[in-house]
Amino acid sequence: DVKVTQSSRYLVKRTGEKVFLECVQDMDHENMFWYRQDPGLGLRLIYFSYDVKMKEKGDIPEGYSVSREKKERFSLILESASTNQTSMYLCASSLQFAGTEAFFGQGTRLTVV
Amino acid sequence: RKEVEQDPGPFNVPEGATVAFNCTYSNSASQSFFWYRQDCRKEPKLLMSVYSSGNEDGRFTAQLNRASQYISLLIRDSKLSDSATYLCVVKDGGKLIFGQGTELSVKP
Repeated sequence: DVKVTQSSRYLVKRTGEKVFLECVQDMDHENMFWYRQDPGLGLRLIYFSYDVKMKEKGDIPEGYSVSREKKERFSLILESASTNQTSMYLCASSLQFAGTEAFFGQGTRLTVV
Repeated sequence: RKEVEQDPGPFNVPEGATVAFNCTYSNSASQSFFWYRQDCRKEPKLLMSVYSSGNEDGRFTAQLNRASQYISLLIRDSKLSDSATYLCVVKDGGKLIFGQGTELSVKP
């Protein structure tokens, strides 16, 4: 079974804090993704990575950065958390080839107060 | 124009009904297409891939029309357990682009 594991299910942070969201996959997938999901807006891509140390901006990268030092791990960093970053964050991974599905982690519900 | 657009929901249907979801995408060079299902407070999971020739999996049928840049999902004989949000997904290069999702509620 493919497994994508996010480090926390629920997280509460204060405005201005630096926040790390961790994601680990065990299927040797090349591609990894970070999305946020908000009511009425669907899933929006923040960043994705197609290889170690490689990253590309998605549709809403502002206020976020990422790190991929090892193939299995993709971290999302909120440099200075703000209340408008309160959201559900979903990590996903997939093989590189077209036509292959993505597998999601269980999500992290982040609340910034 | 959004990259992937879906029918607005929610769809409220009785058990046994047939329901169809539609989706359009803007990039004619898109390579792969999927339908995902997301249950309340859960992560999205693959329902089925969508192929140019159309494909069927039990009560579910997916169609792709590349000329019109249009994807559809048909659910026959709806069950209570089909209640979920259905997400249209398009793969562009390495990126997976999601539609907003269409909520389906199947009632007894």
